[in-house]
Amino acid sequence: DGGITQSPKYLFRKEGQNVTLSCEQNLNHDAMYWYRQDPGQGLRLIYYSQIVNDFQKGDIAEGYSVSREKKESFPLTVTSAQKNPTAFYLCASSRTVMNTEAFFGQGTRLTVV
Amino acid sequence: QQQVKQSPQSLIVQKGGISIINCAYENTAFDYFPWYQQFPGKGPALLIAIRPDVSEKKEGRFTISFNKSAKQFSLHIMDSQPGDSATYFCAASVSTGGYQKVTFGTGTKLQVIP
Repeated sequence: DGGITQSPKYLFRKEGQNVTLSCEQNLNHDAMYWYRQDPGQGLRLIYYSQIVNDFQKGDIAEGYSVSREKKESFPLTVTSAQKNPTAFYLCASSRTVMNTEAFFGQGTRLTVV
Repeated sequence: QQQVKQSPQSLIVQKGGISIINCAYENTAFDYFPWYQQFPGKGPALLIAIRPDVSEKKEGRFTISFNKSAKQFSLHIMDSQPGDSATYFCAASVSTGGYQKVTFGTGTKLQVIP
């Protein structure tokens, strides 16, 4: 089955700790994205990558970091610098960054305890 | 100017009725308007989309109406079913800085009651 796999589905983190969310796709898409979803708000772009070893900040990149060492993988690290990290995180991909249709993973719910 | 305003925040419709969700935008450079459907605990999935050179697009029970002069677009779900109960997001995108920037509305939680 082609698609985007995010893991874990639920994640708990202590304050002050970094945590990494996994995103893998087998759609052979060049572009990958990370969004954050909060209740009552639309999806907000954290980072995007249009090709391996390249990534750009989105609208709310502060406190987050990413890497794109393989085409299939785009992990997101939520660092201790992120002041309000509790949220639902969504990974997405599209054929290219100019392609309008994005495919989303099932999300990771991060809770800071 | 990059905002997309979506209403209502929540909607309850009887089975068989018509669900209507509205969105408005300011940026006339937006050139693609998708709607996403999201079930609880899942990621959004593209439902239907329209470009501004078309006033209406229909796919099964789902129709987008687009009013370019008013800068508004809406999703109509005909013969609404309990399985349609989900959160719906409108979005608008524009090519900028070498990528297709997508701005999402705040979502509408639809509940279809039997």
